[in-house]
Amino acid sequence: SQQGEEDPQALSIQEGENATMNCSYKTSINNLQWYRQNSGRGLVHLILIRSNEREKHSGRLRVTLDTSKKSSSLLITASRAADTASYFCATGPSGSARQLTFGSGTQLTVLP
Amino acid sequence: NAGVTQTPKFRVLKTGQSMTLLCAQDMNHEYMYWYRQDPGMGLRLIHYSVGEGTTAKGEVPDGYNVSRLKKQNFLLGLESAAPSQTSVYFCASSYQGVQAGELFFGEGSRLTVL
Repeated sequence: SQQGEEDPQALSIQEGENATMNCSYKTSINNLQWYRQNSGRGLVHLILIRSNEREKHSGRLRVTLDTSKKSSSLLITASRAADTASYFCATGPSGSARQLTFGSGTQLTVLP
Repeated sequence: NAGVTQTPKFRVLKTGQSMTLLCAQDMNHEYMYWYRQDPGMGLRLIHYSVGEGTTAKGEVPDGYNVSRLKKQNFLLGLESAAPSQTSVYFCASSYQGVQAGELFFGEGSRLTVL
């Protein structure tokens, strides 16, 4: 079963615009992570936000977490063609569970 | 550093054949994972290991077996391949468990079962 669900499934924007992707989840979490996957490649970790954090920044990335709504968003500012990729949220469970559960991803296309 | 290396990268099998995917990491990570990725399904955890000599089932373990005889290696076996196991398989490792740290992924192994 998938814990995180990304929205939208696909997003197409012009270079220089901002891209926002959302993730909703169902159960309590310890942390939420965002990963990027370029076509035909493995996933690369972008950022981790813990359940007691509300916002985190890393370069052009901004992640927010609202545990009351069980949702997170990833904002990529001033997008570049090289940002074209699939983006996945993954939830780290609370308690003793050891599994990181991935959503189905958002396919971002940045047009030059 | 090579990070996480998966072999082979591509493989075609006939139904009923067996094979083993090898994952090797050179980061001295305790935790290792095998995921499969199917279109529209995201990644689903098959098996994982929290240390040398240990293995545990994930979300979709049926039809797969794993072994972690050495800390740096995590093997995924298919004893009798089925077309439903056509997928891209990703190995990942982490220094800490998923409640604290990030996963480092290999580049994937694309398996087709005819």
